[in-house]
Amino acid sequence: DAGVTQSPTHLIKTRGQHVTLRCSPISGHKSVSWYQQVLGQGPQFIFQYYEKEERGRGNFPDRFSARQFPNYSSELNVNALLLGDSALYLCASSLEGSDQPQHFGDGTRLSIL
Amino acid sequence: GESVGLHLPTLSVQEGDNSIINCAYSNSASDYFIWYKQESGKGPQFIIDIRSNMDKRQGQRVTVLLNKTVKHLSLQIAATQPGDSAVYFCAENNAGGTSYGKLTFGQGTILTVHP
Repeated sequence: DAGVTQSPTHLIKTRGQHVTLRCSPISGHKSVSWYQQVLGQGPQFIFQYYEKEERGRGNFPDRFSARQFPNYSSELNVNALLLGDSALYLCASSLEGSDQPQHFGDGTRLSIL
Repeated sequence: GESVGLHLPTLSVQEGDNSIINCAYSNSASDYFIWYKQESGKGPQFIIDIRSNMDKRQGQRVTVLLNKTVKHLSLQIAATQPGDSAVYFCAENNAGGTSYGKLTFGQGTILTVHP
């Protein structure tokens, strides 16, 4: 079975631009979460979506937004990119329930010039 | 359990030895814990999880121990192999609260296994 898939794998943008990252969850998983991982640190929670509703939001500015589609795939949008947004963006999917393990994709490496 | 700094703890072991990776978590309300393995260029890979109503759980070659009194979690890897070399993260969640799927990750430990 396919795991969590993310696209693109790498992306280079300049300051001020916007970006859309995509995620397809494991088949049967209805919950999708987004994380930002800066080099040398653990992932930081950005959003969680379940059944197309936002269930949680981390400490990130309003430039970050996301949505989930009827097929449970998800998009993460970041506007007005800053140099500090350079990071690995990870998507994770899970079954319903906060005590279910989240399974991660390999992420999108975003570089801001 | 918040990640801090750029200098991760490191653990070097010989192939065949047992490895123990430790993690201190900060939220006494956390009731669900996961260990992840992250190899270079890849996303975190689920290893094993444990709920707060347990203090020990075993998988294949791995054991997780939970001490809620001192808010400490450990991952034991038996007969460590070179393929186990990676960064290991613990993550916590308050599954019974309102944090839903928000996992809070520890800083990570770099495990290096020498042949």
